[in-house]
Amino acid sequence: GAVVSQHPSRVICKSGTSVKIECRSLDFQATTMFWYRQFPKKSLMLMATSNEGSKATYEQGVEKDKFLINHASLTLSTLTVTSAHPEDSSFYICSAITGGASGANVLTFGAGSRLTVL
Amino acid sequence: GQNIDQPTEMTATEGAIVQINCTYQTSGFNGLFWYQQHAGEAPTFLSYNVLDGLEEKGRFSSFLSRSKGYSYLLLKELQMKDSASYLCAVRDSNYQLIWGAGTKLIIKP
Repeated sequence: GAVVSQHPSRVICKSGTSVKIECRSLDFQATTMFWYRQFPKKSLMLMATSNEGSKATYEQGVEKDKFLINHASLTLSTLTVTSAHPEDSSFYICSAITGGASGANVLTFGAGSRLTVL
Repeated sequence: GQNIDQPTEMTATEGAIVQINCTYQTSGFNGLFWYQQHAGEAPTFLSYNVLDGLEEKGRFSSFLSRSKGYSYLLLKELQMKDSASYLCAVRDSNYQLIWGAGTKLIIKP
């Protein structure tokens, strides 16, 4: 089946540095990818929708300059957390639509990236 | 506002049956999803309901009643590996996914 690869799975960085997370669709093309953030025991929070060849669409309350999204090709989207602070520590997950029966538009998720900012 | 409600945590015994409920209030409805998420991992797709009724897939079944804004996920013959969080998500009229906070299922021997 379709696979979404996400890297790195874990990253620890110092406050003030930037971190890049990559999300790749393997064996299929994804014109749209979704970036989520998840806090412990909380629901998935959609941060932005990444569109190949155009600007990402950010959800209300998500800082565009803080969370830079680039969808450079049909198989790669990147999320860069700029000038990271401890409050940015979280589990970040990307996903892409991989079809499904009856127009389900099932989301397939990457394995997630655990970011810890010291 | 839009809201998805599901129990925070449930406990069941290996080999038994458990039903995880989900109620929703959303602006429109274009399908309901159940995902399984093991600790520290990403969610994986379990089921999709868009019409009323029961969808069965092996040990897992999902039910939907659109008039009641209600769904449940039924897990039979529970195994230890079923210990995970189960996320309910509804796609609204704008085709946006609204996620529940998840139900943590603990399986005891």
